[in-house]
Amino acid sequence: DAGVTQSPTHLIKTRGQQVTLRCSPKSGHDTVSWYQQALGQGPQFIFQYYEEEERQRGNFPDRFSGHQFPNYSSELNVNALLLGDSALYLCASSLERARLLNEQFFGPGTRLTVL
Amino acid sequence: GNSVTQMEGPVTLSEEAFLTINCTYTATGYPSLFWYVQYPGEGLQLLLKATKADDKGSNKGFEATYRKETTSFHLEKGSVQVSDSAVYFCALSESLSNTGNQFYFGTGTSLTVIP
Repeated sequence: DAGVTQSPTHLIKTRGQQVTLRCSPKSGHDTVSWYQQALGQGPQFIFQYYEEEERQRGNFPDRFSGHQFPNYSSELNVNALLLGDSALYLCASSLERARLLNEQFFGPGTRLTVL
Repeated sequence: GNSVTQMEGPVTLSEEAFLTINCTYTATGYPSLFWYVQYPGEGLQLLLKATKADDKGSNKGFEATYRKETTSFHLEKGSVQVSDSAVYFCALSESLSNTGNQFYFGTGTSLTVIP
């Protein structure tokens, strides 16, 4: 049973560029959430996707956008990169009909470095 | 709003010592509470959880009790091992109808266990 997978593992970009990160949820899961974890900090919620729509959003600017595909996989896009966007980006998946269990399974993350 | 406050680290203990990592929370409703562990270079792994007041979560010798009266969820282990060295995150989540379940994390506590 494959867990949550993310690609790429590491990424280096320069200020002003755009980046796309990818996530495949755990088998059978239909909901994907994205988190930003700055160095030495806890993860911060970016947004959650269900049924190919953004359902909930944290306190992040519009430069952060996402997409969910019919196979439940998801992308996180960040435009006009800033140095402060350097972080570990975590994807978490869950099952909507089991939402009351409040369980999310996390991927290994994508380490983004902005120079 | 919702938030989690953890004791600051880093924490250094000798093998077989007793571990306590304090966690308190603020929530608008009735959240579930979690402890996640992050090993170097990896994503988050669920360590234990509790879904209602007075529930005790336990796993791998770690325990935490959901205390509504003190809004706390302290992590304890009677005898730590070198392999327990990691960063520990306290988190809460509320399952809200129609809007998904966002996780709120503390800033993490780094634990190093020395032989």
